[in-house]
Amino acid sequence: DIQMTQSPSSLSVSVGDRVTITCQASQAINKYISWYQHKPGKAPKLLIYEASNLDVGVPSRFSGSGSGTEFTFTISSLQPEDIATYYCQHYDELPMYTFGQGTKLEI
Amino acid sequence: QVQLQESGPGLVKPSETLSLTCSVSSGSISSDYWSWIRQVPGRGLEWIGSIHFGGNTDYNPSLKGRVTISIDMSRKYFSLKLNSVTAADTAFYYCARSGGGTFFSWGQGTLVTVSS
Repeated sequence: DIQMTQSPSSLSVSVGDRVTITCQASQAINKYISWYQHKPGKAPKLLIYEASNLDVGVPSRFSGSGSGTEFTFTISSLQPEDIATYYCQHYDELPMYTFGQGTKLEI
Repeated sequence: QVQLQESGPGLVKPSETLSLTCSVSSGSISSDYWSWIRQVPGRGLEWIGSIHFGGNTDYNPSLKGRVTISIDMSRKYFSLKLNSVTAADTAFYYCARSGGGTFFSWGQGTLVTVSS
């Protein structure tokens, strides 16, 4: 099974910060990496799919990149409404969906 | 954009069957895949399984044998049944529309507690 190691698990941030979260796969994987934002009591929200594609309506301060075993999610300038937990997720054709452990952003 | 809403009992006894329904509105259920994901409180997300609108199903091997996902196209909902539950199955359960390896839309989730 492919393991997804997401880091850091938590991050102390300030408004305006550039935030970077990493997901490392246990072996080289395909492009099917997605990133989600999850706020308590709310439905998780898709931000990025296929590693770097922004979902419709998602602000351009969010971006994703990477290939092989290392994938990165970036918020270019953190806004107050971005305080949430973020998850990466990988899909392979078994099929199997695997999530990272999550990164909680805290002011 | 499609809206999803989970419903079902919030409390299930050990060894019994957990049953949840996801209602689909503001969109068609006649395309894509429809999935269930869960999150044990304080832990990460776990994919449970998915059903194609045509009826084909895929399940997480760790839960295979206990899980059944079905779909009712006419009533626009899909369902999850997880049998022989234990306390380890206590979690928030989410339904989602999926396709291309991504969960596009999610419900708000429902907490199911397994306890006698």
